[in-house]
Amino acid sequence: KAGVTQTPRYLIKTRGQQVTLSCSPISGHRSVSWYQQTPGQGLQFLFEYFSETQRNKGNFPGRFSGRQFSNSRSEMNVSTLELGDSALYLCASMNGPSGGAKNIQYFGAGTRLSVL
Amino acid sequence: DQQVKQNSPSLSVQEGRISILNCDYTNSMFDYFLWYKKYPAEGPTFLISISSIKDKNEDGRFTVFLNKSAKHLSLHIVPSQPGDSAVYFCAASGSQGNLIFGKGTKLSVKP
Repeated sequence: KAGVTQTPRYLIKTRGQQVTLSCSPISGHRSVSWYQQTPGQGLQFLFEYFSETQRNKGNFPGRFSGRQFSNSRSEMNVSTLELGDSALYLCASMNGPSGGAKNIQYFGAGTRLSVL
Repeated sequence: DQQVKQNSPSLSVQEGRISILNCDYTNSMFDYFLWYKKYPAEGPTFLISISSIKDKNEDGRFTVFLNKSAKHLSLHIVPSQPGDSAVYFCAASGSQGNLIFGKGTKLSVKP
């Protein structure tokens, strides 16, 4: 079974631009979560989608948005990029919606975004 | 306010000895805890988990202990191997389900 695939792996943008990151979950998984990892901050939860609906949202500004398609693939969009948005963006997929004790999240390798 | 804390940013251990990674949490509503391992340039990999109704879960060389009264969990790796060198993240899951991660502990296992 293929794992979680994130594209692109690396991205360089300038301030003010917008960016779209893509995530293909493990086949059969319907839940996709997004996290931001910055040096010294661990993984911070952005949002979770299940069956094309946003279930949970972290404490990030409205410039960060996402969506999920009927095939469970998900995209994350960041508008009006700031220098502080430079980070590793990780996507994780899960079999069911989060909240079940047996639901373990499986992560992709991430997209490294650099904002200049 | 950090709900999941890993107070040791790094830990160095000799090969063959025990590695103990610690994690504290503040929210008593958390009901499921997980440990992930992360190598550079890769995404986190699930390692082991424990439900709040248990106090111990074991999987090979990895054992997780949960002390609910102290709101503390620990990951024991015995014996430690050089390939265990990675960043270890503790995570907790509550009623809303999303995972809340600590900042990680970098483990170095020296041959």
